[in-house]
Amino acid sequence: AQRVTQPEKLLSVFKGAPVELKCNYSYSGSPELFWYVQYSRQRLQLLLRHISRESIKGFTADLNKGETSFHLKKPFAQEEDSAMYYCALSSNFGNEKLTFGTGTRLTIIP
Amino acid sequence: KAGVTQTPRYLIKTRGQQVTLSCSPISGHRSVSWYQQTPGQGLQFLFEYFSETQRNKGNFPGRFSGRQFSNSRSEMNVSTLELGDSALYLCASSRRQGGSYEQYFGPGTRLTVT
Repeated sequence: AQRVTQPEKLLSVFKGAPVELKCNYSYSGSPELFWYVQYSRQRLQLLLRHISRESIKGFTADLNKGETSFHLKKPFAQEEDSAMYYCALSSNFGNEKLTFGTGTRLTIIP
Repeated sequence: KAGVTQTPRYLIKTRGQQVTLSCSPISGHRSVSWYQQTPGQGLQFLFEYFSETQRNKGNFPGRFSGRQFSNSRSEMNVSTLELGDSALYLCASSRRQGGSYEQYFGPGTRLTVT
């Protein structure tokens, strides 16, 4: 069975400080990992995916297969980063079922 | 291009009734997935349709069903509603490109069962 764990329900960080949102997964095969974000009163949207190895809005995430982690990081937090963040896993390519973590609410303190 | 749309946005039903929710995907997207979001259980996968066929199914009772039409629009139906079915139901459409895909979510239908 596949599982995604986000250990922090709430995370508060000062503006300008580094941010790290933790995500661990459980899956025996080769997963595809994503980070989704939901800003206040907006719909859920993709932030980034591991296969693209991209940086979006200053956020990066590296898939660590040894530690089965996909932590989201940003070196300098901005107030507009305040949102709900979800880590998600897709079991294999061609399967578009997403298993979501419970989410972390990130609050940036001015 | 227009995003994923869901109708209705809000719905109040009585226990025992049935309900149908509708989702219109982004043009060109053939995959439509449905998720249930609740404060207690978070986001849970219901099912996915691709080219009018159910391709994946989550762990929900048979009261939850869906279908997809030839224009990729999808509906989900919940029969014999229970209080615990109160939730935000999200629809997402996607299309594979270059070995990956992105699911675009709709705004959701907020279902309240009384």
